[in-house]
Amino acid sequence: QVQLVQSGAEVKKPGSSVKVSCKVSGGTLSSYVINWVRQAPGQGLEWMGGSIPFFGTPNYAQSFHGRVTLTADRSTNRAYMEFRSLRSEDTAVYYCAISNTEYDSCFHTWGQGTLVAVSS
Amino acid sequence: QSALTQPPSASGSPGQSVTISCTGTSSDVGNYNYVSWYQQHPGKAPKLIIYEVNKRPSGVPDRFSGSKSGSTASLTVSGLQADDEADYYCSSYAGRNNVFGTGTKVTVL
Repeated sequence: QVQLVQSGAEVKKPGSSVKVSCKVSGGTLSSYVINWVRQAPGQGLEWMGGSIPFFGTPNYAQSFHGRVTLTADRSTNRAYMEFRSLRSEDTAVYYCAISNTEYDSCFHTWGQGTLVAVSS
Repeated sequence: QSALTQPPSASGSPGQSVTISCTGTSSDVGNYNYVSWYQQHPGKAPKLIIYEVNKRPSGVPDRFSGSKSGSTASLTVSGLQADDEADYYCSSYAGRNNVFGTGTKVTVL
């Protein structure tokens, strides 16, 4: 049974960057599409982007294009989401979630979430 | 890509049924049979309960069912139980994108 374990909470200043990790256990990173979804406090879910690690080019939601980069490290079986030029409105819980393909919108396994707080 | 439209809230008494709609466009729900539904309890990660419009993952009770007509998908929860009180979100593939619904809070009266 594949599981996702994310890195811990972060507090960042406006204009800085954050890099959240997502460790895949019980499976191989490149076997899945790793998606990133964020949820601002009291708000809904928002898909940020997804990729098949080490294959092809990540897909990014238009609203995040240029500020988000998805990468992965084969040696640690971890996927990463780097988010740049942070603003206070980027304060949210960030989830990684697995889907089997890039087109099924079926996020069957989720990490526990990482709170990123952006404050001066 | 705009969020799919869901009613903000829905409610029912224990044992009753509640149906939640998820309205999109011909670019997402109306064009693909890749609609999923998620249940989220406070402070928890979302949980997949329906995928590909009407399929249930292993372990999800058959009280949860999904359907689609045109650009509107629906989730029905039958035989409401106290633990069904949660937020529910739909999602759809939208051509190299995925889009979520605005979310519906289900209250069990």
